[in-house]
Amino acid sequence: DSGVTQTPKHLITATGQRVTLRCSPRSGDLSVYWYQQSLDQGLQFLIQYYNGEERAKGNILERFSAQQFPDLHSELNLSSLELGDSALYFCASSVGAGGSNEQYFGPGTRLTVT
Amino acid sequence: AQSVTQLGSHVSVSEGALVLLRCNYSSSVPPYLFWYVQYPNQGLQLLLKYTTGATLVKGINGFEAEFKKSETSFHLTKPSAHMSDAAEYFCAVSDDTGTASKLTFGTGTRLQVTL
Repeated sequence: DSGVTQTPKHLITATGQRVTLRCSPRSGDLSVYWYQQSLDQGLQFLIQYYNGEERAKGNILERFSAQQFPDLHSELNLSSLELGDSALYFCASSVGAGGSNEQYFGPGTRLTVT
Repeated sequence: AQSVTQLGSHVSVSEGALVLLRCNYSSSVPPYLFWYVQYPNQGLQLLLKYTTGATLVKGINGFEAEFKKSETSFHLTKPSAHMSDAAEYFCAVSDDTGTASKLTFGTGTRLQVTL
């Protein structure tokens, strides 16, 4: 158990819908990352927040957005869902924001878009 | 941009045999390198990391990796494979601006351990 929690574990929804994925970082970690894992694209970085502030952005679609709240939990919002958005979405957390920090991953949310 | 290449999408070894999973990186600055393992239907677990200092890094579950700058490699090894090592292994490099970072992952190597 990494200490990073993600809810829900599974999510099935239809095309065009909007969903919210939630992540709680390890106690004491200020940085949260979101990654997408799919068969086509592999593991892809989406976005990083540090203490509520966006710090780095990857190839995140405009239909996707995220935020980190004052209690440090984070939410990833996916809208106008398409079949290709079906994937595993991982949240990770680390103490600091820099690259030498170890990132600890949650169990993931499996999103299925039908 | 930084990148990693994992040679061999599938590796099969016998129980008790040496495990060698290959990773080569590309980076314009001294890299931070990581190995993660993913068991079926689970998240990624950190095995080990290299930041600076000693080039031979020891991790959990008997794994270790050696950073070789001249070869731009960070191969993962374990002297004796166990059935429980069967999983997918990912090499990653950190893109670090100092106040932000992201991990760039390789495509993964699925390790099969046979009796």
